[in-house]
Amino acid sequence: EPEVTQTPSHQVTQMGQEVILRCVPISNHLYFYWYRQILGQKVEFLVSFYNNEISEKSEIFDDQFSVERPDGSNFTLKIRSTKLEDSAMYFCASTRGFGYTFGSGTRLTVV
Amino acid sequence: TQLLEQSPQFLSIQEGENLTVYCNSSSVFSSLQWYRQEPGEGPVLLVTVVTGGEVKKLKRLTFQFGDARKDSSLHITAAQPGDTGLYLCAGDIGTSGSRLTFGEGTQLTVNP
Repeated sequence: EPEVTQTPSHQVTQMGQEVILRCVPISNHLYFYWYRQILGQKVEFLVSFYNNEISEKSEIFDDQFSVERPDGSNFTLKIRSTKLEDSAMYFCASTRGFGYTFGSGTRLTVV
Repeated sequence: TQLLEQSPQFLSIQEGENLTVYCNSSSVFSSLQWYRQEPGEGPVLLVTVVTGGEVKKLKRLTFQFGDARKDSSLHITAAQPGDTGLYLCAGDIGTSGSRLTFGEGTQLTVNP
């Protein structure tokens, strides 16, 4: 069964530092996403990416966030200057249309 | 803003009982998806329903999409301890590939 792979599984960073979360989506999928889930809260949409550009972003996805697909396989989320409230599970997902495959997530802790 | 309300939030039942989880909205969704999420893991897709009134079965799980495509239900027959987990509904309102809006989730515990 194809998987979405995310690294690292855990990341602890100091407030104000930059972090890059990495994802390898399923190879024949067309749409790529980042979602986050703050502990005890619902899964929230951050950004979608299609045809090498952002197709939609939420109000959470401000100037501190950016995404890249630097080659044919990786999909990254960068947070430029982390804040305490960025602490959450970050999930990458991909789809060909309907029905997403999610990665296992990166637990980001900002201290 | 599209909202999905799931109920109940918590459900604790005995093995062998039946249960239903509900997912309701005032918005029309082009598709509704149900996921199961284990602690520390990402959501895993169980089913996608796209047609109003559609019913899909996955062994002891039955998923229904409302006629107006604003609500959905998940029914589990003869629940087993292995069914314990967080069940999430999620909908999208646009064309294929559009964002998902998630419900709060239902934490199901099936006691042996």
